[in-house]
Amino acid sequence: GAGVSQTPSNKVTEKGKYVELRCDPISGHTALYWYRQSLGQGPEFLIYFQGTGAADDSGLPNDRFFAVRPEGSVSTLKIQRTERGDSAVYLCASSLMGTAGTGLVEQYFGPGTRLTVT
Amino acid sequence: AQSVTQLGSHVSVSEGALVLLRCNYSSSVPPYLFWYVQYPNQGLQLLLKYTSAATLVKGINGFEAEFKKSETSFHLTKPSAHMSDAAEYFCAVSDHLNNDMRFGAGTRLTVKP
Repeated sequence: GAGVSQTPSNKVTEKGKYVELRCDPISGHTALYWYRQSLGQGPEFLIYFQGTGAADDSGLPNDRFFAVRPEGSVSTLKIQRTERGDSAVYLCASSLMGTAGTGLVEQYFGPGTRLTVT
Repeated sequence: AQSVTQLGSHVSVSEGALVLLRCNYSSSVPPYLFWYVQYPNQGLQLLLKYTSAATLVKGINGFEAEFKKSETSFHLTKPSAHMSDAAEYFCAVSDHLNNDMRFGAGTRLTVKP
């Protein structure tokens, strides 16, 4: 595709439920990033994939959050036992290559998934 | 730890006026600095970035930013605002050791006719 796509664009779920958010990166991009953007805040790093492996998951807030990228392209962010505090816009970004020092390559962002936990 | 602070959550200018969005950073190693723009219901778009080359960086849509180490600043400017510049602007910092970027809270720019 022309850019990073994320589905769904909006997700409303009840507290305690499980949700999956999907990211389709730009074709050929080996690096993929997940960020969370709470209301009135800038994006907050969650996890970074280089290929299929999670190279850096230091931003995941707790063990309810998990992400996979089994074939090195599409990624799914999974949130178990959702809480109202998980409500935010979840952003995905991809880049041609990942390396320590993200200034070396541009990250292309998707439009995000707005998650609302009621 | 790295961080950025954006002064002013909301800036309003008249069309044709100078745009100045402020960003100060904190980093224990030489930083990489970025400005992103976010239009409603769209993803973040890179405006410009500083990666230790020229301190005055020119970006898209007529924006530029100057890295000032002595002031730990990376303010974004544009000589003449257009209505189409109305958006949310984010400053971000990274470095050669880390994969993540740290974003500021954002500044919403309003352009009045």
